[in-house]
Amino acid sequence: SQTIHQWPATLVQPVGSPLSLECTVEGTSNPNLYWYRQAAGRGLQLLFYSVGIGQISSEVPQNLSASRPQDRQFILSSKKLLLSDSGFYLCAWRGTSDHNEQFFGPGTRLTVL
Amino acid sequence: KQEVTQIPAALSVPEGENLVLNCSFTDSAIYNLQWFRQDPGKGLTSLLLIQSSQREQTSGRLNASLDKSSGRSTLYIAASQPGDSATYLCAVPRSATGRRALTFGSGTRLQVQP
Repeated sequence: SQTIHQWPATLVQPVGSPLSLECTVEGTSNPNLYWYRQAAGRGLQLLFYSVGIGQISSEVPQNLSASRPQDRQFILSSKKLLLSDSGFYLCAWRGTSDHNEQFFGPGTRLTVL
Repeated sequence: KQEVTQIPAALSVPEGENLVLNCSFTDSAIYNLQWFRQDPGKGLTSLLLIQSSQREQTSGRLNASLDKSSGRSTLYIAASQPGDSATYLCAVPRSATGRRALTFGSGTRLQVQP
């Protein structure tokens, strides 16, 4: 069966510090991968998606970036965090058929102080 | 641009009641619709996926219906229990960009009182 992992579970970082969040998927190959953010009192916002190794598409301009160095690994990064980067970050995967379900990881709670 | 709306935003019911959560979407050209549950501080758990060709999908006490032509879906929860307390989200894949990334409603926060 498929499993999706995210780490760390929680993170408290000062403004201006770097960020690296990791997501890995087990039990599937060539998934579509997604990073979403859920800010307090707001809905889920798509940040990045990837259809393959090294293929990243960004949804909104921001100081975050994403990379996919391996088929089942998706990394969210920042060189300098802003207060507005605080939120709950969720990684998700989906098979490549149009009708496949999307599955989410446990999330990372990021607080920028 | 697809927009998803969920009504009500919050709901509090006594244990044992049957209840209906509503979801509406503006673009009826969807591939499927997915219902999720989110407990506080946790990730999303997929509850039901309804394909565009289906009208209904059931899992245990949950039943989801889909009416594409009217842009609506409902999630029916039978004999509610305190353990059902959570936020329920509906989502549809984007039809144009984002390689089937999901557009979410803002959710219905459900509280089932024992």
